[in-house]
Amino acid sequence: EPEVTQTPSHQVTQMGQEVILRCVPISNHLYFYWYRQILGQKVEFLVSFYNNEISEKSEIFDDQFSVERPDGSNFTLKIRSTKLEDSAMYFCASNRELGYGYTFGSGTRLTVV
Amino acid sequence: GIQVEQSPPDLILQEGANSTLRCNFSDSVNNLQWFHQNPWGQLINLFYIPSGTKQNGRLSATTVATERYSLLYISSSQTTDSGVYFCAEANQAGTALIFGKGTTLSVSS
Repeated sequence: EPEVTQTPSHQVTQMGQEVILRCVPISNHLYFYWYRQILGQKVEFLVSFYNNEISEKSEIFDDQFSVERPDGSNFTLKIRSTKLEDSAMYFCASNRELGYGYTFGSGTRLTVV
Repeated sequence: GIQVEQSPPDLILQEGANSTLRCNFSDSVNNLQWFHQNPWGQLINLFYIPSGTKQNGRLSATTVATERYSLLYISSSQTTDSGVYFCAEANQAGTALIFGKGTTLSVSS
């Protein structure tokens, strides 16, 4: 069964450093997403991406965040200057049609120290 | 935006017991989905169920869209069913899933 692949699975970074989280969505999917989950809390929407541009973003997705699809397969989330409160599990997801058929990756656990 | 409320927040069961998890929505239900987050953190899509009833093995789900709620039934629970169960509904544009806070299920042998 096709998978959404995320790398790395864990990342520890110093406060103020830039991090890039990487995702390879399912090849025939058209819509791509990033969600985050602070430990013990619910999954929160960050951003959706379609046709090489952001289609929706949440209040969490401020100027410190950016997304990119640098080639035909990768989808990245960059955090420019990490803060302690950015520590969370970050999930990438993709689907072929809006609203359903989501496949989530296994997540990247980001720890900011 | 749409609000998603789940109950109960926590559930402790003995292996073999049945359970019902509930999800209430503040707005119309069009793209209701249930997910299981296993103890390793993986999010697994269980059901896409905007209306009606679906079954998959020991799990089944029912959504009554007119009354804005959905139920997830787990029968003959096993320890591997442990984890957090989330329901989620898409926003009006379909561009984001809004998750509930989840029900944490612990099944002991």
